[in-house]
Amino acid sequence: GESVGLHLPTLSVQEGDNSIINCAYSNSASDYFIWYKQESGKGPQFIIDIRSNMDKRQGQRVTVLLNKTVKHLSLQIAATQPGDSAVYFCAGGYSGNTPLVFGKGTRLSVIA
Amino acid sequence: DAGVIQSPRHEVTEMGQEVTLRCKPISGHDYLFWYRQTMMRGLELLIYFNNNVPIDDSGMPEDRFSAKMPNASFSTLKIQPSEPRDSAVYFCASSHQREGGKTQYFGPGTRLLVL
Repeated sequence: GESVGLHLPTLSVQEGDNSIINCAYSNSASDYFIWYKQESGKGPQFIIDIRSNMDKRQGQRVTVLLNKTVKHLSLQIAATQPGDSAVYFCAGGYSGNTPLVFGKGTRLSVIA
Repeated sequence: DAGVIQSPRHEVTEMGQEVTLRCKPISGHDYLFWYRQTMMRGLELLIYFNNNVPIDDSGMPEDRFSAKMPNASFSTLKIQPSEPRDSAVYFCASSHQREGGKTQYFGPGTRLLVL
């Protein structure tokens, strides 16, 4: 089955620096990945997604990279701001109406 | 768009009591998911519905948990009887089949404390 996990449980970054959050997955059939941001006391919020036919996708200040060879994806946040402090989850799924599988999450702390 | 609505936002109850959590998905969405989140186990999928029909309830921990979706705009998750180990944040999420049911939009959650 699908298994999605994160390399680091916590990440501290200086304000203004770039952040990189990593995620590994086990099911090579996975073809869709999402990054969510969860702030304290709130539900996870969609940030960006990527399909397996892509290796990079950019949003506003965020970039997701997908390496299917090693089954790894990352979320890059440019010019990290205090408002970026949150727990970030990666989630993966595959074709069809199957639900996503979520990783454990990485807590990002931005140091002012 | 009001997003996914959950109630109550906080619930404190005593062991043995019945707890009912409520969810209103985003209008037009045809998938609804119930999750439980704890520090130890992270985000766990309990059950999900498609067009009001339960598709997979393998994540429901035991018979004390039940979920219903009587119509497209309402779902409940019931715990009877509740136990202290049920204390967690319970999230409801919904998505649209147009997207293959993948991008899920989460509600604010219900924080449950069972004493």
